[in-house]
Amino acid sequence: DIQMTQSPSSLSASVGDRVTITCRASQSISTYLNWYQQKPGKAPKLLIYAASSLQSGVPSRFSGSGSGTDFTLTISSLQPEDFATYYCQQSYSNSWTFGQGTKVEIK
Amino acid sequence: QLQLQESGPGLVKPSETLSLTCTVSGGSISSSSYFWGWIRQPPGKGLEWIGNIYYSGSTYYNPSLKSRVTISVDTSKNQFSLTLSSVTAADTAVYYCASDIAVAGTGYYFDYWGQGTLVTVSS
Repeated sequence: DIQMTQSPSSLSASVGDRVTITCRASQSISTYLNWYQQKPGKAPKLLIYAASSLQSGVPSRFSGSGSGTDFTLTISSLQPEDFATYYCQQSYSNSWTFGQGTKVEIK
Repeated sequence: QLQLQESGPGLVKPSETLSLTCTVSGGSISSSSYFWGWIRQPPGKGLEWIGNIYYSGSTYYNPSLKSRVTISVDTSKNQFSLTLSSVTAADTAVYYCASDIAVAGTGYYFDYWGQGTLVTVSS
């Protein structure tokens, strides 16, 4: 199985801050990496697919980058509605795996 | 746009079989672009992929659950289903169904999700 490791597990930030979340794969997954946002009691929402493609309707302050084993989700200017948990997910092999999540909290 | 809705018992006894159905609306489950997936989330924990199915019946399962999981599809009802056998308290979770779109060169991603249904394993 391909293991996905996110860092940090949690972070505190203020509105307007630039936030970066990292996801590392245990082997190369090309750009088959997706990012989701989940708010309490809600289903996850797709933000970024194929490492850097912004899903329709998602604000442009969200961006993704990376290839191979190292990936990054960046929020350029954190907004109040962005406080949530973020998950990466690989779709390289026929056995998908998620990272353990990164909780973004209000400082 | 697609809408997905999970249904099934909210309480299952230990050692019994968990069964859930996902009804798809707003599109055809026989679309060649989609797999259909199940994902679960234990209370307070992260997401775990359970498995996927294509409308033809082809399946992929999480190796850690493979011996207990069956995913099936009913194209006439635009539904797909999950069964998980020999459940224990560790299987208590919110279970989500989702559409897993395949786009050439980009891999797969879950673009539409059901609201999720909590299944508790308890006697």
